[in-house]
Amino acid sequence: EVQLVQSGPEVKKPGESLKISCKGSGYSFASYWIAWVRQMPGKGLEWMGIIYPGDSDTRYSPSFQGQVTISADKSISTAYLQWSSLRASDSAMYYCAKHVGGGYTNSWVPYWGQGTLVTVSS
Amino acid sequence: QSVLTQPPSVSGAPGQRVTISCTGSSSNIGAGYHVHWYQQFPGAAPKLLIYGNSDRPSGVPDRFSASKSGTSASLAITGLQAEDEADYFCQSFDSSLSVSVIFGGGTKLTVL
Repeated sequence: EVQLVQSGPEVKKPGESLKISCKGSGYSFASYWIAWVRQMPGKGLEWMGIIYPGDSDTRYSPSFQGQVTISADKSISTAYLQWSSLRASDSAMYYCAKHVGGGYTNSWVPYWGQGTLVTVSS
Repeated sequence: QSVLTQPPSVSGAPGQRVTISCTGSSSNIGAGYHVHWYQQFPGAAPKLLIYGNSDRPSGVPDRFSASKSGTSASLAITGLQAEDEADYFCQSFDSSLSVSVIFGGGTKLTVL
């Protein structure tokens, strides 16, 4: 059974750094693109970027380029989303999402993590 | 402002048919990129409803169907049930300067 298990909720102060994780199991982790998706309270889904754990090829949505860092450690089947300096506007639910369907341009997401709620407040 | 435009809300009575549109442009849906649809209940992760424009994953009732034409796509739900009340999102890919996977803004379906 494919599972994506994310790290727990985080409460941080503005300016702090943060790294959240997503551990995949039940499939060949290195062979499938994994994306991160943001959902702000009461809002829609925003695709942030994607990584291919096999070779760490990473692509970012222009809206998130330079704002976050996506990485992966295929040896422990885990993907990461990282901030160096959080802002209050980063408060949101973050989902990791396993893309399937070949390359990621026409791919879809049948598997989602449970979400990690990040709250940034002074 | 999402690149893919969906109506913010639609509604229908039990048993009725509703459709949700997803309007894009020549750099995404109109360029031939596939459209996928997701259902999301409050407090839960999205669930894949339709992939590859019109295919249903196993376990998704055949009351849900989708199509694509030109620069738009649509999701249809027939025999509306109370349990269908949720948010629905379309997803595609955009090959313009913003090379990226893209989501529609989402549509809240209310079952009257």
